[in-house]
Amino acid sequence: SQQGEEDPQALSIQEGENATMNCSYKTSINNLQWYRQNSGRGLVHLILIRSNEREKHSGRLRVTLDTSKKSSSLLITASRAADTASYFCATYLQGAQKLVFGQGTRLTINP
Amino acid sequence: ETGVTQSPTHLIKTRGQQVTLRCSSQSGHNTVSWYQQALGQGPQFIFQYYREEENGRGNFPPRFSGLQFPNYSSELNVNALELDDSALYLCASTALGHVNTEAFFGQGTRLTVV
Repeated sequence: SQQGEEDPQALSIQEGENATMNCSYKTSINNLQWYRQNSGRGLVHLILIRSNEREKHSGRLRVTLDTSKKSSSLLITASRAADTASYFCATYLQGAQKLVFGQGTRLTINP
Repeated sequence: ETGVTQSPTHLIKTRGQQVTLRCSSQSGHNTVSWYQQALGQGPQFIFQYYREEENGRGNFPPRFSGLQFPNYSSELNVNALELDDSALYLCASTALGHVNTEAFFGQGTRLTVV
């Protein structure tokens, strides 16, 4: 079963708007990661947030983590057409080097 | 773009056949993991190789097997292909000495079983 679940499953916004995606997970974690996937190709690592961090920024990306609620959010500000992709959250199961992914959020940025 | 390369990029096989997919890991990374991604789903962990040995396995049958070579490259073999094996197969490399770090993915091999 999936460790993480993203919400919404699909999101369509206008270029320039902000996009927010949410992720929930089930077990204790050391960190949570977000990946992007363009058109069924390889995954690209975006950002990693550790369990003792609450918020992290990278360029136009802002990630929050609430370990009490076992949830995370990814905010993309000032979206661009090139941001159109699927976004996945992923965590490592404790004691294993196995990344567990959610089903992803499919983001479409309309020009 | 990561330093992980996969071959081939696309492949069509017939049910019952066998297939071998290949992956070259990023320089300095000694651990390779394989994932299966069905259409519209997130990647599912198949197994991981470290020092040429399997180092963890997901919920996949024994007809999914692998190898890792001294140069850390890896192969995924699937025997007796089934229609449901049609998917994108992703290889990811990490440095095992660095626990729970980011994984570097290749571009994947799209396998179609007909």
